[in-house]
Amino acid sequence: EAEVAQSPRYKITEKSQAVAFWCDPISGHATLYWYRQILGQGPELLVQFQDESVVDDSQLPKDRFSAERLKGVDSTLKIQPAELGDSAMYLCASSFSSGTGNWEQYFGPGTRLTVT
Amino acid sequence: ILNVEQSPQSLHVQEGDSTNFTCSFPSSNFYALHWYRWETAKSPEALFVMTLNGDEKKKGRISATLNTKEGYSYLYIKGSQPEDSATYLCAFKAAGNKLTFGGGTRVLVKP
Repeated sequence: EAEVAQSPRYKITEKSQAVAFWCDPISGHATLYWYRQILGQGPELLVQFQDESVVDDSQLPKDRFSAERLKGVDSTLKIQPAELGDSAMYLCASSFSSGTGNWEQYFGPGTRLTVT
Repeated sequence: ILNVEQSPQSLHVQEGDSTNFTCSFPSSNFYALHWYRWETAKSPEALFVMTLNGDEKKKGRISATLNTKEGYSYLYIKGSQPEDSATYLCAFKAAGNKLTFGGGTRVLVKP
């Protein structure tokens, strides 16, 4: 069964350092999502891609976060510089489409980030 | 900001007992309600996508109901087993909008 891949699974970094996460969606899925889940809260959408284009990055802290999906396949989320408050689970999800209809989102296992 | 709330935040269930918990969401501009199960160290797994008022969905021992007029959904687990231990997330989708998740209900089934 096809899965969304994420790496690394765990990352510990010091504040002010740069950190990057990688996501490979299910083949053929045009839409890719990055979520952040802080302990005790639900996942919050950071950025949504349709192919290589950003369609929603309203909740992405753009002063320190960046995301790209250059060829419309895999994606990288970067934080520079990391802050203590960035400690969270970063989830990637993909769906076949995001247009009319309820396209199911398939999630990866996430990257647990700890900033010290 | 859409308000999606789940209660309780956590619950302990004895193996074999049945349980249920709630997801509350805005009753206006409803498009869909998603339920996910998230086991520790695994990926969140989709359980149900519910779209119609009065919808009832079932998957094995897990079922869900939907009331869009009053803005709530119940998830039921019948005859809980240790493998049902997980965090259950609901996510509300307004028309043309993104998923807004609740904080989850963490279920621990004790043998």
